[in-house]
Amino acid sequence: QAQLMQSGAEVKKPGASVRVSCEASGYRFTGFYINWVRQAPGQGLEWMGWTNPDSGDTNYAQKFQGRVTMTRDTSITTAYMEISRLKSDDTAVYYCARGLHYCATASCFNEGGPYYQYMDVWGKGTTVTVA
Amino acid sequence: SNALTQPLSVSVALGQTANITCRRHNSESKNVHWYQQKPGQAPVLVIYRATNRPSRIPERFSGSYSGDTATLTISRAQAGDEADYSCQIWDSNTGVFGAGTQVTVL
Repeated sequence: QAQLMQSGAEVKKPGASVRVSCEASGYRFTGFYINWVRQAPGQGLEWMGWTNPDSGDTNYAQKFQGRVTMTRDTSITTAYMEISRLKSDDTAVYYCARGLHYCATASCFNEGGPYYQYMDVWGKGTTVTVA
Repeated sequence: SNALTQPLSVSVALGQTANITCRRHNSESKNVHWYQQKPGQAPVLVIYRATNRPSRIPERFSGSYSGDTATLTISRAQAGDEADYSCQIWDSNTGVFGAGTQVTVL
C-alpha cells in the first residue's frame, strides 16, 4: 500500500529556511512524481511544484521560484522541499502528494511531455509556523 | 486564464443529491480532478480526469463534465460527506486548485 510519511512540525523565525521531508513506501519511488501543496490556516490548497524522482527534474509555481528547492534521494526513497527567506505568511500545512502523470494532448504523446497529473496519495502534512 | 470557479458552499439534505461545479474559463474541463478534505486531514482524491473514481471511493461519488464546467455529484448524501471539495487542473505544466466548496449535510 503506497504511503508518504512526512517529517514533524517546525517553528522558524522570519528569514530562516525550513526543509520538509517525505518518505515514500509501498510503490516504485521513481515511477511517480512528487508534488508539494500547502494550505495556510483557513485557506484553500496551493500548488507549489513537483519533482520527478527518476530524473530529478523540477517545476515550481512562479510564486515560489527562487525561494523553493525540491530534491530527492532515491537511495532512501525520500523527497525534500526546502523554502528559504521565510515570512509569516508562509505559515501553513505543507503536504507532499504522489502525482500520477498522463498525456492529455497530442503533443504530449508525440514529444513525451509535458504531462498532466492528479495526486492520488497524500502525506499527512507538516505544519510550519513562522513567528 | 487558468482560474477555476467553484461555489463557496453547497447544502444538501441527508440522503439527497449534491452537485458541486467547477468552471474553467474558456477551456474544456475533461481533465478536472476532485479532492475531498475533512478538517484536520489531508486531501483525498475522489474523482480523476472528470469522470473516474478511485476504487476505494464509494459509488455515491461521481463526476461529469460539459464544455468548460465539471461537476462532482454526491448521491444519497451522508453526514460523513461533510467536507471541503476542491477541483484541480493542470495548466502549462503547473497545478491549479479551485478555492474549494464547503458541503454541509443538513
